[in-house]
Amino acid sequence: EIVLTQSPATLSLSPGDRATLSCRASQSVRVYLAWYQQKPGQAPRLLIYDASNRAPGIPARFIGSGSGTDFTLTISSLEPEDFAVYYCQQRSDWPPFTFGQGTKLDIK
Amino acid sequence: EVQLAESGGGLVQPGGSLRLSCTASGFNLFNYEINWVRQAPGKGLEWVSYTSGSGPTVYYSDSVRGRFTLSKDNVKNSLFLQMNSLRADDTAVYYCTRGDYGAGPGGLWGQGTMVAVSS
Repeated sequence: EIVLTQSPATLSLSPGDRATLSCRASQSVRVYLAWYQQKPGQAPRLLIYDASNRAPGIPARFIGSGSGTDFTLTISSLEPEDFAVYYCQQRSDWPPFTFGQGTKLDIK
Repeated sequence: EVQLAESGGGLVQPGGSLRLSCTASGFNLFNYEINWVRQAPGKGLEWVSYTSGSGPTVYYSDSVRGRFTLSKDNVKNSLFLQMNSLRADDTAVYYCTRGDYGAGPGGLWGQGTMVAVSS
């Protein structure tokens, strides 16, 4: 089973800042990594699929990069609605599909 | 409107059973790969089950295999997750999600249904 480790666990930033979230896989997942955003009481929302492709309707400030074992989600300039929990998830070697433990992005 | 809707959650005693439904609107559920994902209170996301849509392929996580069973109803455009021998650690919000970009959870999620296992 591929283990995904996200860092940091919590990131405290201000609106307008640049956010950099990391996801590291225990073995190569090629480019088959997705990023989700989740707000309290809501279902996850797909942001990025296959490492760098934005899902429909996702603003351009969300940028995914990486391949192999190291991936990054960058939010270029934080908007107030971006403060949430972010998860990475792999579909390279499945079952099972695995998720990272999440990074909480909160307002400084 | 294109959407997924889960139902069937509730409070059940340990060892009991529940059947969750995932119903699609605005599209044919069986043209897509569908996954169930759950989230325990205050915890992260955990994949539970996968079906290939129209095909016979079904997978389960180790934590639910042998206790949970997927079934389909083409007429109702619905999937069902039969959950037996429920345990306290099955307590979670259960989501169904459509695999829009290859296998795995994807771009369309239901609102979730809460399952609480407690005596």
